Amino acid sequence: QVKMVESGGGLVKPGGSLRLSCVVSGITFSDHYMNWIRQAPGKGLEWVSHIGAVGSMIKYADSVKGRFIISRDNSKNSLYLQMNSLRADDTAVYYCAAAEYGSGSLDYWGQGTMVTVSS
Amino acid sequence: SYVLTQPPSVSVAPGEAATISCGGNNIGTKSVHWYQQKPGQAPVLVISYDSDRPSGIPERFSGSNSGNTATLTLSRVEAGDEADYYCQVWDSGGDHPGVFGGGTKLTVL
Repeated sequence: QVKMVESGGGLVKPGGSLRLSCVVSGITFSDHYMNWIRQAPGKGLEWVSHIGAVGSMIKYADSVKGRFIISRDNSKNSLYLQMNSLRADDTAVYYCAAAEYGSGSLDYWGQGTMVTVSS
Repeated sequence: SYVLTQPPSVSVAPGEAATISCGGNNIGTKSVHWYQQKPGQAPVLVISYDSDRPSGIPERFSGSNSGNTATLTLSRVEAGDEADYYCQVWDSGGDHPGVFGGGTKLTVL
């Protein structure tokens, strides 16, 4: 059974930082591309970033480029998202999702962690 | 950047068929993936690579992709199918390759 558990969300002031984590079990983590997808309250899904199986092939959405950093530790089956210079429009549920290929389907999703940016 | 266009809402009576479109420039040349999201839950993959059904997804779910439109079809719709549906592609030529459609709310009357 695949399990993906995000953590690290919370309330942060504009300009602040947060680090999200996603711990994965039930799949061979090091064989999968990993993604962060977010969903603002009442809105649709927005792809944020992905990282290749060995930590290369990193891409970001324009909305977070230069502020967010994605990383992974295959020895810990863990994915991370360092979020800096947070803005109100970063408020969203953040999901981690796994794909077998870089251009493949997002086969497995976590339950999400809520990030609220507000003063 | 690549844009996917979905109708905001589709309504259908139980037992009827529902079709949800996803428009994009030459989308027929890309692989389209579809996700179902029920309120308060994470998305679930229901169709991958245009028309493949993952294990556990009912045969009532099917997909197609040609030209400028991909389509998700739910035959014999049930009340439990009421959800938001999102199409997704990878725009490999772009700097931000992950693209989702705006989502379609399926209402079962």
